[in-house]
Amino acid sequence: GNSVTQMEGPVTLSEEAFLTINCTYTATGYPSLFWYVQYPGEGLQLLLKATKADDKGSNKGFEATYRKETTSFHLEKGSVQVSDSAVYFCALRGTGNQFYFGTGTSLTVIP
Amino acid sequence: DTGVSQDPRHKITKRGQNVTFRCDPISEHNRLYWYRQTLGQGPEFLTYFQNEAQLEKSRLLSDRFSAERPKGSFSTLEIQRTEQGDSAMYLCASSLGSDSNEQYFGPGTRLTVT
Repeated sequence: GNSVTQMEGPVTLSEEAFLTINCTYTATGYPSLFWYVQYPGEGLQLLLKATKADDKGSNKGFEATYRKETTSFHLEKGSVQVSDSAVYFCALRGTGNQFYFGTGTSLTVIP
Repeated sequence: DTGVSQDPRHKITKRGQNVTFRCDPISEHNRLYWYRQTLGQGPEFLTYFQNEAQLEKSRLLSDRFSAERPKGSFSTLEIQRTEQGDSAMYLCASSLGSDSNEQYFGPGTRLTVT
């Protein structure tokens, strides 16, 4: 079956620190992979995506590479800002139209 | 483009009552999804519409749950005989069929069953 496992939080970092949030997946076939972000008081927003192996998604300084050999899609950012404080969800879309989300990782960036 | 809207934003009901939620997707989006999210968890897929057709339903969607999208625009999710375990955030998302990967989420309806 399809599932997503992501790093548990909460994560607290100082501004300008390097961020990694781990995400691994189990899927049949060749899923598309996503990172969604939920800022305080707002709905989920697509942050980035990758639709095939070795694709790199990037947006707002965040990056994630679709690694088929390790079934991973880790989220990284070189220098986080206070405004990046949010909950981050890794997700996959399988062969149908069902999306499977991880449990979310809460990030707090302190000045 | 006003985004996906959901109504109500909050609903408190007593166990055994029926509730209905509404979702208005982005106007040109032909795909509409319902999810349930409980505290500390990610969204769980419930059901999906393409236009007015309900194409997929999760095993999570018991027979107390029903969803409709009668004219391929707004959708309703009804829960009959609510139980305390139904307490959750109910999220709606929509997407354009030509790029069904990108879903736009609404703010959610928070249901509390007492």
